Amino acid sequence: QVHLVQSGAEVKQPGASVKISCKASGFTLSFYTMHWVRQAPGQRPEWMGWINGDKRRYSQKFQDRVTFTRDTSAGTAHMELTRLRYEDTAVYYCARDNGLPRGALDYWGQGTVVTVST
Amino acid sequence: SSELTQDPAVSVALGQTVRITCHGDSLRNYYASWYQQKPGQAPLLVISGENIRPSGIPDRFSGSRSGNTASLTITGAQAEDEADYYCSSRDSSGSQVEFGGGTTVTVL
Repeated sequence: QVHLVQSGAEVKQPGASVKISCKASGFTLSFYTMHWVRQAPGQRPEWMGWINGDKRRYSQKFQDRVTFTRDTSAGTAHMELTRLRYEDTAVYYCARDNGLPRGALDYWGQGTVVTVST
Repeated sequence: SSELTQDPAVSVALGQTVRITCHGDSLRNYYASWYQQKPGQAPLLVISGENIRPSGIPDRFSGSRSGNTASLTITGAQAEDEADYYCSSRDSSGSQVEFGGGTTVTVL
């Protein structure tokens, strides 16, 4: 059974960085493209980018602040967002791309709440 | 980048049919995916591609596309279908992914 389990909630000050992990089980992480999506309260989901092997594609909005990595031996993907701002307060999700078509996200993590506050 | 637009809200009587639409220039070239989201939960993929339902999604959910419009139809809506529905697709460049503004479906 496919599961994506994310790390716990974070509270950060403006200007700090946050790194979120996403542990995959029930499938081989290296076989799939993984996306990161965030959702601010009451807003639509916002795509941040994807990672597949050595390839990454970042949303133009985040490309100077975000880094995706993954440890395929551990079955874990990571997302780091730097220079946090108040407006980065959101729930952050990892999601698996099933390729039907490319960009269809069939399994999602439970979400990680990131609060940016002094 | 382009933009995907959805009606903010729609209501449907229990057991009736409702169609949710998503408009965007990129939809002429790329299929939409549709997600259902209930409060406090992650989005759930209900339709992708031409009309692909993931395992476990009831067959009352179906998808279609015409020109720059993608549609999600719920035939025989149930109380548990009350949720926000988001469309998603690649943008016109094909390199980015975008989400529509969402449609809140109320089942009366």
